[in-house]
Amino acid sequence: DTAVSQTPKYLVTQMGNDKSIKCEQNLGHDTMYWYKQDSKKFLKIMFSYNNKELIINETVPNRFSPKSPDKAHLNLHINSLELGDSAVYFCASSQRGEGDTQYFGPGTRLTVL
Amino acid sequence: GNSVTQMEGPVTLSEEAFLTINCTYTATGYPSLFWYVQYPGEGLQLLLKATKADDKGSNKGFEATYRKETTSFHLEKGSVQVSDSAVYFCALSGGSYIPTFGRGTSLIVHP
Repeated sequence: DTAVSQTPKYLVTQMGNDKSIKCEQNLGHDTMYWYKQDSKKFLKIMFSYNNKELIINETVPNRFSPKSPDKAHLNLHINSLELGDSAVYFCASSQRGEGDTQYFGPGTRLTVL
Repeated sequence: GNSVTQMEGPVTLSEEAFLTINCTYTATGYPSLFWYVQYPGEGLQLLLKATKADDKGSNKGFEATYRKETTSFHLEKGSVQVSDSAVYFCALSGGSYIPTFGRGTSLIVHP
């Protein structure tokens, strides 16, 4: 039983295209996150939603737009992709009041050509 | 803002050697502290955590103690195995803290 799932696992696309990554969690958690991991493994939080409301929005270009249709899903849409967007994107979830342990998805490797 | 600093890698050890990966943090108040592990091609997974000062987290032979006085949460294991080869991340979060991760330390264990 997958706890946090992401699709697709790999995404190869051209500069200028628009793409989406989907995330779902079946843990019943109330908080979900998007992270970007660069080629040196540095992990940076991008967004966080709690019960469908945006609570963290780090300095991310507005080409990135998260959408949370319900508390089990948090999707990431990226407009006008650039070479520098190439990275691994991780979705995660946690439950407030339980020490905020994060449960990560398997990641989506985005390559922009 | 909050920050987490951990030793740069890679750390290269022989099997059965003792492991220490240093981690220090900067934060006001009392965040929860975590060690996550990332195996190749996978997402991060929780290794251990501590939620208050002097707590010791432990799992799979790894342990770390939350030291408020030195703002540290060093990871240790008495005898590493080849299967421990991975990237290890120190992190803080909890309550109103924005989750903050260190830059990761790659561990390579040779037979």
